[in-house]
Amino acid sequence: KAGVTQTPRYLIKTRGQQVTLSCSPISGHRSVSWYQQTPGQGLQFLFEYFSETQRNKGNFPGRFSGRQFSNSRSEMNVSTLELGDSALYLCASSPTGGGTDTQYFGPGTRLTVL
Amino acid sequence: QKEVEQDPGPLSVPEGAIVSLNCTYSNSAFQYFMWYRQYSRKGPELLMYTYSSGNKEDGRFTAQVDKSSKYISLFIRDSQPSDSATYLCAMSSGGGSQGNLIFGKGTKLSVKP
Repeated sequence: KAGVTQTPRYLIKTRGQQVTLSCSPISGHRSVSWYQQTPGQGLQFLFEYFSETQRNKGNFPGRFSGRQFSNSRSEMNVSTLELGDSALYLCASSPTGGGTDTQYFGPGTRLTVL
Repeated sequence: QKEVEQDPGPLSVPEGAIVSLNCTYSNSAFQYFMWYRQYSRKGPELLMYTYSSGNKEDGRFTAQVDKSSKYISLFIRDSQPSDSATYLCAMSSGGGSQGNLIFGKGTKLSVKP
C-alpha cells in the first residue's frame, strides 16, 4: 500500500505571496490532519479534515486554511506569507481519525519564505 | 507551562547502551500516548502506541505510561547507530477525533558505533 504523499517537497516563496500544498492520504483513509513543524515550536496541529469537513482546528491565524476533496485528498493554503511561516508542513492520514487510529505521516513539504 | 514537556537533548550514547527518553504532561485528559521516530528530512513514523497506563514492549522498545505522575517513557535496549533520530512523544485525549495530537518538541538521539 502506498504511503502518504505530499507535493511539492520543497518550496521557496517571498513574503506576501500565497502557497498551496497538497496531500494524498493512504488509500482508504478518510481523515487527514496537517501539522507545522519548526525548530522553536516543534510539531503543532493545524487542522483535521474528515469526509470533506473540517472537524478540528488548531490555534493558527485565518491565513491558514485547508480543504478536502471527495477522494480524501487534501490541500492547505497559506495566504500573505510571513517569514515565520517557514517550516516543514506535515500531513498525516488515518482511517477515521478516531481515538484508536494510528496516524501515518507523509515526508512533508519544506516551505522557505524569503 | 506547556502541555507536553520533553528534553530536547541532544543525547549521545555508545552502541549497545540502554536509552531512556521521557516526557511529562499536564493535561489529565490525555489517554492515548505515542512515540514517533523522525529521521532527518523525513516525516515522523509511529514506534509505539499505548492506551492509558501500563507498559508495552515491542522488540528492543518498551513504552511506559504512568498517568498518576503524568510521565511517559520510551526505553531502547541494545541501541544501534540506526536508532539515531529525533524521538517525539505525542498524546491525545481521543474521543471523537484524534486529529489534534499534542507533541513534545522531540529528543535528538545519536548512537555512536
